[in-house]
Amino acid sequence: DTEVTQTPKHLVMGMTNKKSLKCEQHMGHRAMYWYKQKAKKPPELMFVYSYEKLSINESVPSRFSPECPNSSLLNLHLHALQPEDSALYLCASSQDRTGVTQYFGPGTRLLVL
Amino acid sequence: GENVEQHPSTLSVQEGDSAVIKCTYSDSASNYFPWYKQELGKGPQLIIDIRSNVGEKKDQRIAVTLNKTAKHFSLHITETQPEDSAVYFCAASRSGAGGTSYGKLTFGQGTILTVHP
Repeated sequence: DTEVTQTPKHLVMGMTNKKSLKCEQHMGHRAMYWYKQKAKKPPELMFVYSYEKLSINESVPSRFSPECPNSSLLNLHLHALQPEDSALYLCASSQDRTGVTQYFGPGTRLLVL
Repeated sequence: GENVEQHPSTLSVQEGDSAVIKCTYSDSASNYFPWYKQELGKGPQLIIDIRSNVGEKKDQRIAVTLNKTAKHFSLHITETQPEDSAVYFCAASRSGAGGTSYGKLTFGQGTILTVHP
């Protein structure tokens, strides 16, 4: 089973709202990733967690705040977003950072009004 | 850092024809090359991958070839079917321990493949 699940599937939020995206995997993977994907573009890496510790932050604005409560869960907390943050947010996991075979979830489609 | 170029950006074929998508990479230390298929409204799905110690890998109608010297790799789909229509992304990465670049996938810009019945 190579399933990564993400909730919600769709999210609409105002610029003053606070919301969270959730990602879950039960493959025993120890690395988890957040990507942002704009239409007709490849995924762009945002954050990498390895063994529940943040190991890569690709200079993402502080209005995006990741959290890894345990090895199966990954959250992305959103606050004071801008309309240009509207995108598909993808979560991925891999066995660990050295394994690199990454499995993606279906994504959360975010619209910021 | 790594840079991956992917061509063509769009590819239109008739059902039953073959489709070839090519990628070049810049970092000679890259040693892992996955291909992802992304259908509309879905996340990228890993369809095949190859490591630098192998020159070719096949899985039914899909094959990937790697030329380390020239730093390019290609995806070959034979006997295409309408359900193969999607966006295909190549990527490159270093696998192995150590360094901040490990675990980072660098994607190509994508190829929109359309298979006409």
